This record gives sequence, C-alpha cells and structure tokens, in this order.
Amino acid sequence: QSALTQPASVSGSPGQSITISCTGTSSDVRTYNLVSWYQQHPGKAPKLMIFDINKRPSGVSNRFSGSKSGNTASLTIFGVQAEDEADYYCCSFATSSTFVVFGGGTKLTVL
Amino acid sequence: QVQLQESGPGLVKPSETLSLTCTVSGGSISRYYWSWIRQPPGKGLEWIGYIYYSGSTNYNPSLKSRVTISVDTSKNQFSLKLTSATAADTAVYYCARVAEMGTVTEFDYWGQGTLVTVSS
Repeated sequence: QSALTQPASVSGSPGQSITISCTGTSSDVRTYNLVSWYQQHPGKAPKLMIFDINKRPSGVSNRFSGSKSGNTASLTIFGVQAEDEADYYCCSFATSSTFVVFGGGTKLTVL
Repeated sequence: QVQLQESGPGLVKPSETLSLTCTVSGGSISRYYWSWIRQPPGKGLEWIGYIYYSGSTNYNPSLKSRVTISVDTSKNQFSLKLTSATAADTAVYYCARVAEMGTVTEFDYWGQGTLVTVSS
C-alpha cells in the first residue's frame, strides 16, 4: 500500500478540467510544502510537472496547476487534451517513514 | 542537455545481488543529489534512496538493510547494489537527478529505465 492515496482513475472529455487528489498525513503532505507531480506515458520515464505544491518547471504547460489543503494535495489540468492521457503520480517529502513517498498513481483517460 | 543512462544485468538470480550503474552525460555529477527509483511491472513508483556527490546517502527504510548507493565522480557515475534479491525486486529501475537548489522530491532528469527480472 502506497504512503499517499490517489484515485485509481479519472476521466474527462477534451476541453474539460480534471482534478487528481493525493491524500497523505501530518507527517508528509500536511506539514511540508514539498509535493511534486509526475506524468508518465506508457513505457516512458516519469516527467516532472509540478514541484513545491504549485510551481511549474520551465516548458510545462500552464494548463497544469497544483494546490494543497490540509492533508490533500491536488493536480488540476485545465482544458484537458488527448496528449495528457497518462499516469500521474504525486510525491511528497515525509518524516515518519521515508524521506520520499509516492502515491499509487492515477490513470487519466481522455474520452 | 543532461542525460542519464542505466546499465547492468537484466536478469538476476534469487538471493544474488542486483547491481546497476547510472552514467551521467552532458553535465557534472557534482553539486547534485542523485536517486534510484523503481517501478514493478504494472505498479507505482517506489523511492529507493539518494546520494549526494560527496557520498552522503539516505535510503528507504523498507530497503535500507539491503541497499547501498555509491558514487564515482571521476567517472560521472553512481551505482545501486541490492542484496538478497527476490522476485519482489523485479522492476524497472530508474536513476534520476534532484534539481539544483531543489528538494529531494524534485526529480528533473530521469534515465530511460532498465528492467531487472529476478528469476532462476
């Protein structure tokens, strides 16, 4: 069982907005603003999309946005496109178990 | 452009040691943290550990007793050793760089990954 909880799947039609949640505990998400999000297409390495809750690396579309409330971090994709169909993983700094914990991953399907 | 490339045996026998090397090109290994992350087939990501170019390390407690990560700055490489391998260690293994001035959850460059199967 992963340390961070994500829904197994989400879906949306092109142009819609979708949100993926990532629920942790007071030992990780709640306490630290050190949550990142990764996009992984089949057979490819993960790609950093969001870091430090809501910052985007250079080159990542501004359609990707991150936020946090309490124990839960969220990734929102505005105006979802076919190319966004992929697995998404959240990642947080943690102190109770391991320094770095990942969520179980969420498969985004673009209808 | 920084590139990372994993190398090592794709098949390891149970109870033997899994050994992988990550070669960094297009940039120096110095001044960065470097990590190993794995992904069992069809499953999610698991952080294994990281090493600073100076040699200091931190490991996932669930693997700590079996893992060693080392660095060779002269070759711009860092390595992973996982002892007493079992079928549960079968996974795609990725090496990754922690972003400069970033936190340990911020992996900005990744290798393509290499599948290691533990089987007799």
